[in-house]
Amino acid sequence: AQTVTQSQPEMSVQEAETVTLSCTYDTSENNYYLFWYKQPPSRQMILVIRQEAYKQQNATENRFSVNFQKAAKSFSLKISDSQLGDTAMYFCAFRETSGSRLTFGEGTQLTVNP
Amino acid sequence: NAGVMQNPRHLVRRRGQEARLRCSPMKGHSHVYWYRQLPEEGLKFMVYLQKENIIDESGMPKERFSAEFPKEGPSILRIQQVVRGDSAAYFCASSPPMAGQNTGELFFGEGSRLTVL
Repeated sequence: AQTVTQSQPEMSVQEAETVTLSCTYDTSENNYYLFWYKQPPSRQMILVIRQEAYKQQNATENRFSVNFQKAAKSFSLKISDSQLGDTAMYFCAFRETSGSRLTFGEGTQLTVNP
Repeated sequence: NAGVMQNPRHLVRRRGQEARLRCSPMKGHSHVYWYRQLPEEGLKFMVYLQKENIIDESGMPKERFSAEFPKEGPSILRIQQVVRGDSAAYFCASSPPMAGQNTGELFFGEGSRLTVL
């Protein structure tokens, strides 16, 4: 079974600084998807960024980028120029390409301080 | 609103009552997933359904919980004889068929928060 591990329950960063959230996963599959979702206090699950395992290039979305290390099964999220609105719980998630369920990590609570 | 619609947003039940949570997937999506989020925890998979079929219910508790996705109408997550431990946020997500424009992403509703007194 796939597992997703986020080893940082809480992190904080100063506004405008850069922060990196860690995620590792375990799978025997070669093709799969990886995601970072954000859950602000409103509890809505919002997709931040997506990576397909067969693509070597790291995904980027504006201030958000990932460091995808397939051999190490690592998928970290870097947030540049942190903003107060980035304060949220961040979940790393894994999904098999041919599979169904999305498997989540336990989350990292990020607080951006003014 | 073309997103995943869940209702009710908040539901209060007394122990022993039944809870029914509804989910309408995004237009064009035929796959529905239910997740449970206990306080201060991550999202745990419960069940994956397609129209009139349960594909994977490996995350569903063996008793009191059931789910359906009929040919017409929303998907329903039903919890019978609720207990305090059922208090949680229940999220529904949908995705298009595996073929075609499937980017792997699940689209989430805003969740239904169940409180059992």
